[in-house]
Amino acid sequence: EAQVTQNPRYLITVTGKKLTVTCSQNMNHEYMSWYRQDPGLGLRQIYYSMNVEVTDKGDVPEGYKVSRKEKRNFPLILESPSPNQTSLYFCASTRVATGELFFGEGSRLTVL
Amino acid sequence: DQQVKQNSPSLSVQEGRISILNCDYTNSMFDYFLWYKKYPAEGPTFLISISSIKDKNEDGRFTVFLNKSAKHLSLHIVPSQPGDSAVYFCAARDSGGSNYKLTFGKGTLLTVNP
Repeated sequence: EAQVTQNPRYLITVTGKKLTVTCSQNMNHEYMSWYRQDPGLGLRQIYYSMNVEVTDKGDVPEGYKVSRKEKRNFPLILESPSPNQTSLYFCASTRVATGELFFGEGSRLTVL
Repeated sequence: DQQVKQNSPSLSVQEGRISILNCDYTNSMFDYFLWYKKYPAEGPTFLISISSIKDKNEDGRFTVFLNKSAKHLSLHIVPSQPGDSAVYFCAARDSGGSNYKLTFGKGTLLTVNP
């Protein structure tokens, strides 16, 4: 079964405490990305990766880092989280031929 | 500046009737459009798509219409079922770039009443 798996699904943390949200896909897709969903703003792209070791900024990259050391994994790193990063985060993997994004179930992050 | 607009935050219809969700876009470089459905506590799931070379694509109860001159697309669900109640996102892609990013609208909450 085609899957994008994110962890953790829910997390409450405090300002400045580094955290990582993991993402893994089993579809052998080269292209992966991270989005955040906020009320009234829809889904906005944070970072994307075209392939292993190839990453670039999306529309809202400030305060985030990513890495792509393996094709299947694309973790999102918040080095020093702040309250404005409280959001619902989605990892996605793209079937380039059709343009379809496969999303993970989401990670709800609260930064106090 | 919002490039993909869903101007109706919510829509309520009766079971069995038609649901029409609308989406407008401003970027002329968009050439591929998708609709996603999202249930609470789940990730968005792909529903249907349309290329800019077409004006209609149908998949079962779901049909997407594209009017390029008006930069407008719509999703029709016929007949609507209570299980269709979800948030629907319109998304568009600019295939001219190397980023396969989708630009999403803010979403429309569809409620289908039994």
